[in-house]
Amino acid sequence: DGGITQSPKYLFRKEGQNVTLSCEQNLNHDAMYWYRQDPGQGLRLIYYSQIVNDFQKGDIAEGYSVSREKKESFPLTVTSAQKNPTAFYLCASSLQGVNTEAFFGQGTRLTVV
Amino acid sequence: EDQVTQSPEALRLQEGESSSLNCSYTVSGLRGLFWYRQDPGKGPEFLFTLYSAGEEKEKERLKATLTKKESFLHITAPKPEDSATYLCAVQGGDSGGSNYKLTFGKGTLLTVNP
Repeated sequence: DGGITQSPKYLFRKEGQNVTLSCEQNLNHDAMYWYRQDPGQGLRLIYYSQIVNDFQKGDIAEGYSVSREKKESFPLTVTSAQKNPTAFYLCASSLQGVNTEAFFGQGTRLTVV
Repeated sequence: EDQVTQSPEALRLQEGESSSLNCSYTVSGLRGLFWYRQDPGKGPEFLFTLYSAGEEKEKERLKATLTKKESFLHITAPKPEDSATYLCAVQGGDSGGSNYKLTFGKGTLLTVNP
């Protein structure tokens, strides 16, 4: 089945550690995105990529890094510089171009312990 | 800057009691308005895309409409399984090169009691 797979579903991080969240899609979509969701807030864009080997910062990129070495994969690293990393992280993909809906994975819940 | 406001924040209905959710937006050149459904602990599920004022789309008990300033998600004779958070997002045409960016509202939490 085509779709977007995020792993792990739950992730625990100690303060000062970097962690990487995985996102893989087999929809043959060019564009991929990372959003962060906090209780009572809308989804906020962290990074997005329109094509392989290219990505742009979203609204809240500080403390995060990404790579796009393959069309299917868009991993997100939450670095120790991110002061409040506990959140629900959502990866999405869409066909390149505007006016196209984005499809989401099932999310990764990150908790700092 | 694009903005999306959804109301009410929460809505509780009895099964069969029809109602509407509102999504008000300000955007420089609307390219698309999107409705999603999100269940607790899950990723948003795509429902509809609307592109221009006057457009309407339907899916089972849901109907989405669009004006120049807002969109409504009408729920007819809801069932308990319609309980979820409904998210609205817009994609604008003047976002400094971020042509793929979606701006989301905070959502409306719908609860349908049997």
